[in-house]
Amino acid sequence: GAVVSQHPSRVICKSGTSVKIECRSLDFQATTMFWYRQFPKQSLMLMATSNEGSKATYEQGVEKDKFLINHASLTLSTLTVTSAHPEDSSFYICSAREWDRDTYNSPLHFGNGTRLTVT
Amino acid sequence: DAKTTQPNSMESNEEEPVHLPCNHSTISGTDYIHWYRQLPSQGPEYVIHGLTSNVNNRMASLAIAEDRKSSTLILHRATLRDAAVYYCIPTDRGSTLGRLYFGRGTQLTVWP
Repeated sequence: GAVVSQHPSRVICKSGTSVKIECRSLDFQATTMFWYRQFPKQSLMLMATSNEGSKATYEQGVEKDKFLINHASLTLSTLTVTSAHPEDSSFYICSAREWDRDTYNSPLHFGNGTRLTVT
Repeated sequence: DAKTTQPNSMESNEEEPVHLPCNHSTISGTDYIHWYRQLPSQGPEYVIHGLTSNVNNRMASLAIAEDRKSSTLILHRATLRDAAVYYCIPTDRGSTLGRLYFGRGTQLTVWP
């Protein structure tokens, strides 16, 4: 089955530094990937839609200059948390659909998430 | 986006059937209903989806009301590995990119 891989699974960084999270579709191509954030005991919140070869689309209230998204190829999207602060500590999850099944009816495949802790 | 209402939590004993309800009274006529589940500290996992007819797969069954205002996810024999948060999500008809917006979901506890 389709697999989405995230790296790293866990990262600790100091306040003010930047952190990059990678999301790869291992055995399929994805023109679109989605980035979510989840705080403890809460549901997933959609942050942005990553589009291969073009700019990402951010949800209302998400700072695009703080959460930089690059979708450089059909199998890789990256999320960079810039100038991280403790309030950015969260569980970040990416997801993708197979390119040839890129309709809203086909299932999303999720990565296993990245636990970010900013000290 | 169609709003959903799910119970905050449900409990079941192992090997018993579980019926997880979801109300989505504002769903549009062409929205699919997706179900995902999330185990602790993991990304969500696709369970099943459907439009109008009842659907079955190896994980679960999905029963959709005739008026499509509600649906029920059925786990025929719960196992301890089914303990998770279950999310019912109508697709975002307003977006061709198929964004999924998660609600609060139902925390399912399975007792041995």
